[in-house]
Amino acid sequence: DAKTTQPNSMESNEEEPVHLPCNHSTISGTDYIHWYRQLPSQGPEYVIHGLTSNVNNRMASLAIAEDRKSSTLILHRATLRDAAVYYCILMNLVDDMRFGAGTRLTVKP
Amino acid sequence: DSGVTQTPKHLITATGQRVTLRCSPRSGDLSVYWYQQSLDQGLQFLIQYYNGEERAKGNILERFSAQQFPDLHSELNLSSLELGDSALYFCASSDPTGGNNEAFFGQGTRLTVV
Repeated sequence: DAKTTQPNSMESNEEEPVHLPCNHSTISGTDYIHWYRQLPSQGPEYVIHGLTSNVNNRMASLAIAEDRKSSTLILHRATLRDAAVYYCILMNLVDDMRFGAGTRLTVKP
Repeated sequence: DSGVTQTPKHLITATGQRVTLRCSPRSGDLSVYWYQQSLDQGLQFLIQYYNGEERAKGNILERFSAQQFPDLHSELNLSSLELGDSALYFCASSDPTGGNNEAFFGQGTRLTVV
């Protein structure tokens, strides 16, 4: 069973920032926080991951709370192509990879 | 292109039949995961293999089985197929030794049972 909780859906306007929250109160010290997204009719794709510090890459930023019990994926300027289901999952070197229901992001023009 | 190849892309078969789905992981990735995604549903974890050995089992039916071969490719066997087995089946691979365990997904096999 998934160890994270996310809102079922969120809406954003095009070219505005989007903050997608994730709670993971039972996170352990060895768990990495990973985000994936799944565009319609495609396989999930990796977005970003982090352990303790905030992370930035070309797709998004990841803000991790100081106690690591929550995190936020930030899309700085949402585009229509960012409409997808976003999954937040915890991963370590040992466990398998289980997805929750994710957040369905709708981007309005 | 994720580097993970799944074949076939589409498969139509009748109830009661048996099919084999194939996954070629990214070069060097030791872990392979299988998932089932029914229409408008989430990703259900089925099974994980690591370097040829079964590592974790999820909601995999007894009619389903999988294996990972010495060359690291994996096959998911589905038998006595039922209408409810119609779904997208995804394979993912990762290299846990890399430290961050980023996973790469294939484009899936769409199975239709008629």
